[in-house]
Amino acid sequence: DADVTQTPRNRITKTGKRIMLECSQTKGHDRMYWYRQDPGLGLRLIYYSFDVKDINKGEISDGYSVSRQAQAKFSLSLESAIPNQTALYFCATSDPGQGASNQPQHFGDGTRLSIL
Amino acid sequence: GQNIDQPTEMTATEGAIVQINCTYQTSGFNGLFWYQQHAGEAPTFLSYNVLDGLEEKGRFSSFLSRSKGYSYLLLKELQMKDSASYLCAVNPGNTGKLIFGQGTTLQVKP
Repeated sequence: DADVTQTPRNRITKTGKRIMLECSQTKGHDRMYWYRQDPGLGLRLIYYSFDVKDINKGEISDGYSVSRQAQAKFSLSLESAIPNQTALYFCATSDPGQGASNQPQHFGDGTRLSIL
Repeated sequence: GQNIDQPTEMTATEGAIVQINCTYQTSGFNGLFWYQQHAGEAPTFLSYNVLDGLEEKGRFSSFLSRSKGYSYLLLKELQMKDSASYLCAVNPGNTGKLIFGQGTTLQVKP
């Protein structure tokens, strides 16, 4: 079983719809992240959470919101989807326990989202 | 501002050696990561450097020069399965947040 699970894996929807992408992890990590990946632009951070009560905006948070329902669950919502939000979305986790700087992030398999 | 630069694409031959460069200008520096990402898949962790010098891990090595804001990933004895994108990422502060470069797509040819 995957340590970081994203659902759905693929989604096609229409402009204006509300969409939720879900991420759950069995690694026991406190820190969770949402990224989007676009061709030529690399991974860009949308939101991140260092524990259940801590939510922070990343570099491209406009048009998105998140919810940290539990240590293991971190959801990303698009309240009213628009075509330029078509992208590959990744959830990631990391463990701050031994010093945050050298702990790698562990990624889920991604959600491919297309907005028509 | 924060900026990380990598070449967009590289091509190399099976069995050869290839070096993928990464230069960075960030507000702070607390470590540099390399990830491998096969098409349509999740990035996977390859290496971490925080001190100057070379870190070797099997066929893969990573080098860091903090004074030059420069790192490279060296892949030896290339195999077809090494065809992937290689992502350079910097931790600019004392947190788990990373800033990613756009990635280098490596194509290994027979």
